[in-house]
Amino acid sequence: GQQVMQIPQYQHVQEGEDFTTYCNSSTTLSNIQWYKQRPGGHPVFLIQLVKSGEVKKQKRLTFQFGEAKKNSSLHITATQTTDVGTYFCAGRASGSRLTFGEGTQLTVNP
Amino acid sequence: KAGVTQTPRYLIKTRGQQVTLSCSPISGHRSVSWYQQTPGQGLQFLFEYFSETQRNKGNFPGRFSGRQFSNSRSEMNVSTLELGDSALYLCASSPRTGSGNTIYFGEGSWLTVV
Repeated sequence: GQQVMQIPQYQHVQEGEDFTTYCNSSTTLSNIQWYKQRPGGHPVFLIQLVKSGEVKKQKRLTFQFGEAKKNSSLHITATQTTDVGTYFCAGRASGSRLTFGEGTQLTVNP
Repeated sequence: KAGVTQTPRYLIKTRGQQVTLSCSPISGHRSVSWYQQTPGQGLQFLFEYFSETQRNKGNFPGRFSGRQFSNSRSEMNVSTLELGDSALYLCASSPRTGSGNTIYFGEGSWLTVV
């Protein structure tokens, strides 16, 4: 079945440093979504990428979808303490259900 | 528009008991999916319902079951609870099933089995 792998599992950064999490799928995806879960909270939708090679930005966050539509990345520039949480990617292949990666837990030291 | 509502938010059960969790999706959403999340773990897919029909099922034992009603509200049941069932159970809704849908999570039901 479809598998979505996400690395790293944990990332500790100093405030102001950049952060990147990577997502890889075993199959070609129709789209990929990113979610953020704050400590003690529930996952919240951030963005969806659909097109091959697509790049989207949300303030300090940059999301990319690979040319082959099998991988994606989320990059945060100049992290802030408000960025703390777990970032999940979720991919869906055609005709399949949404599959979540294991998530990357980000901690930011002030 | 109200978000996804899950009840109860917190509950404690004893091994061997059964539990029913409820989920009311966002108004107009017809697809509901359930996930189990244990501390430090990812989101383990339980099942997905659309128009009262189970569309997908994850790799959980038969003790885990669910259903969806005509008003799109959903319930999941866990029978013969085990200590390992202690987790956050998340419900998510979307307008429809299939590619391109964003899912919206509820705040979850925290289940502790003692």
